[in-house]
Amino acid sequence: RKEVEQDPGPFNVPEGATVAFNCTYSNSASQSFFWYRQDCRKEPKLLMSVYSSGNEDGRFTAQLNRASQYISLLIRDSKLSDSATYLCVVNRNSGYALNFGKGTSLLVTP
Amino acid sequence: DTGVSQDPRHKITKRGQNVTFRCDPISEHNRLYWYRQTLGQGPEFLTYFQNEAQLEKSRLLSDRFSAERPKGSFSTLEIQRTEQGDSAMYLCASSLVTQGNLAGGETQYFGPGTRLLVL
Repeated sequence: RKEVEQDPGPFNVPEGATVAFNCTYSNSASQSFFWYRQDCRKEPKLLMSVYSSGNEDGRFTAQLNRASQYISLLIRDSKLSDSATYLCVVNRNSGYALNFGKGTSLLVTP
Repeated sequence: DTGVSQDPRHKITKRGQNVTFRCDPISEHNRLYWYRQTLGQGPEFLTYFQNEAQLEKSRLLSDRFSAERPKGSFSTLEIQRTEQGDSAMYLCASSLVTQGNLAGGETQYFGPGTRLLVL
């Protein structure tokens, strides 16, 4: 079983739509959780960390369910510029390096 | 530009040749990571350094791969006797670990990557 699993999509949504991505992780000892964004042929960039209490950054909301080992990302009022691959990321058992999911592809259309 | 830089950005080589990539982390970042990413996959961890010490190596890092960070600043990743399966994007990331985030969870900043094609 992969350590971090995501639906690869693609998710095609119209501008203004709300879209949600989900992710599950296998290592119950993981302590740090993130969503990264990766544009085509570019490096990953941190979108937001994910905290147990859930957190919001503008149009983006991240949630963590430790009991179910499940992470989610909600994007409200999608913009064309949100089109990218969204990577679910969990720290490795050793604590420092990161385990990435395959990514979920999002295309926001006019 | 004070971000992570990598050189070269692209490398085409023939099978069996050796290649070396360089990563310059963000100044004063004490942790440096190497990842590999193939098409349609997320980045996969290869190895990381805390200052000049290499503290972890993934099972992906075969004996043909070696990484160094001799002075705790820039790092090199060498692949000997390249194989077609080594074709990938090699990403470097750096982070600053302090007493407050020793347990992990610090933000890793990625460089633009070196895209390797082995013919």
